[in-house]
Amino acid sequence: NAGVTQTPKFQVLKTGQSMTLQCAQDMNHNSMYWYRQDPGMGLRLIYYSASEGTTDKGEVPNGYNVSRLNKREFSLRLESAAPSQTSVYFCASSEPGTSQETQYFGPGTRLLVL
Amino acid sequence: AQKITQTQPGMFVQEKEAVTLDCTYDTSDPSYGLFWYKQPSSGEMIFLIYQGSYDQQNATEGRYSLNFQKARKSANLVISASQLGDSAMYFCAMREGQDQAGTALIFGKGTTLSVSS
Repeated sequence: NAGVTQTPKFQVLKTGQSMTLQCAQDMNHNSMYWYRQDPGMGLRLIYYSASEGTTDKGEVPNGYNVSRLNKREFSLRLESAAPSQTSVYFCASSEPGTSQETQYFGPGTRLLVL
Repeated sequence: AQKITQTQPGMFVQEKEAVTLDCTYDTSDPSYGLFWYKQPSSGEMIFLIYQGSYDQQNATEGRYSLNFQKARKSANLVISASQLGDSAMYFCAMREGQDQAGTALIFGKGTTLSVSS
């Protein structure tokens, strides 16, 4: 099992460009999440999908859109990138209803917006 | 107010010594879960240990144990017999509620642990 995979691993964008970060999980989890990690800030939730067909905003959703393509895949789109979106982006998945509902994370995507 | 507080930006320990990383939390929900994750310099987030609010005993996973003091709202991570490979950033996180699909984790700002030989 690969767990949670993310592509790309690293990306440089110019201000105003768009891109989509891809995430896939092979653990048959129902819930998926996108977080961003900034220095000194810990991880903050951007969007999440409690189950296939649903998405909801997290703490910092502005400037982002998401698509839950199917149960395995959850993508994050930046329509018009801004320098403030320079960050490390993590995708995670979990199975609700389990005793721990541990979230398992992908390796992250480092994004630099110039 | 911060829901997860990690007051130690950096900790230093020698190999084979034990170290405690502090975490305090704030919630009014009676049902919650507490997690610790390790982030080495390579960047991935590695799940270490979990403690549920109703668990009677402190969680243990190998060299990791969680010192859960519910009345004080603290969930400190204890690493016994530190190894060089333990050098990393450590994050405490909380999930409020239970059996609610899609409940996100709330993270602290992390503690950097440096283990020296």
